[in-house]
Amino acid sequence: DIQMTQSPSTLSASVGDRVTITCRASQSINRWLAWHQQKPGRAPTLLIYKASSLKSGVPSRFSGGGSGTEFTLTIGSLQPDDFAIYYCQQYSAFPWTFGQGTKVEI
Amino acid sequence: QVKLQESGPGLVKPSGTLSLTCSVSGDSISSDYWWSWVRQPPGKGLEWIGEIYHFGSTYYNPSLESRVTISVDKSKNQFSLELKSVTAADTAVYHCARAQRERLIEYWGQGSLVTVSS
Repeated sequence: DIQMTQSPSTLSASVGDRVTITCRASQSINRWLAWHQQKPGRAPTLLIYKASSLKSGVPSRFSGGGSGTEFTLTIGSLQPDDFAIYYCQQYSAFPWTFGQGTKVEI
Repeated sequence: QVKLQESGPGLVKPSGTLSLTCSVSGDSISSDYWWSWVRQPPGKGLEWIGEIYHFGSTYYNPSLESRVTISVDKSKNQFSLELKSVTAADTAVYHCARAQRERLIEYWGQGSLVTVSS
């Protein structure tokens, strides 16, 4: 299985900060990487796919980058609604796997 | 808009069978997508369980394959999960989801907590 490792596990930040989360794959996944956001008690939502493509309706302060084994999710200016847990997911090779999550907290 | 909603018992006894159903609205279960299950044990990350295509093709996580069955009910626009011989380690929030052909998960259900306990 491809192992996905996110860092940091927890990120403390303030409204207006620029924050970056890293996701590393144990082998190359080209650009077959997605980022999902999860808030307590709610369904996760897709933010970014193919490493850097923004899903329609997702604010432009979210951006993704990387290829191969190293990827980033950047929030350009953190908003109150962005405090949540973020997961990366590879869909390059079966079985599909996720990172352990990064909690963005105040 | 596509919506997915999980339903089923919240408590299952050890060695029993966990059964959950996902009701799909805003799309047909016969559409060109994979219908998936993902779980999240308390305090842990997400684990992909398996998926089904509407004509019956299934793929399961090898770590769970011997205990898992996913099926589709086209008449009800639903798909279901069965996990046999459960233990406390199977306690988790179970999410259903819709994935594109390349397995990108686009839509998720809110999740259903299933506790395995006597």
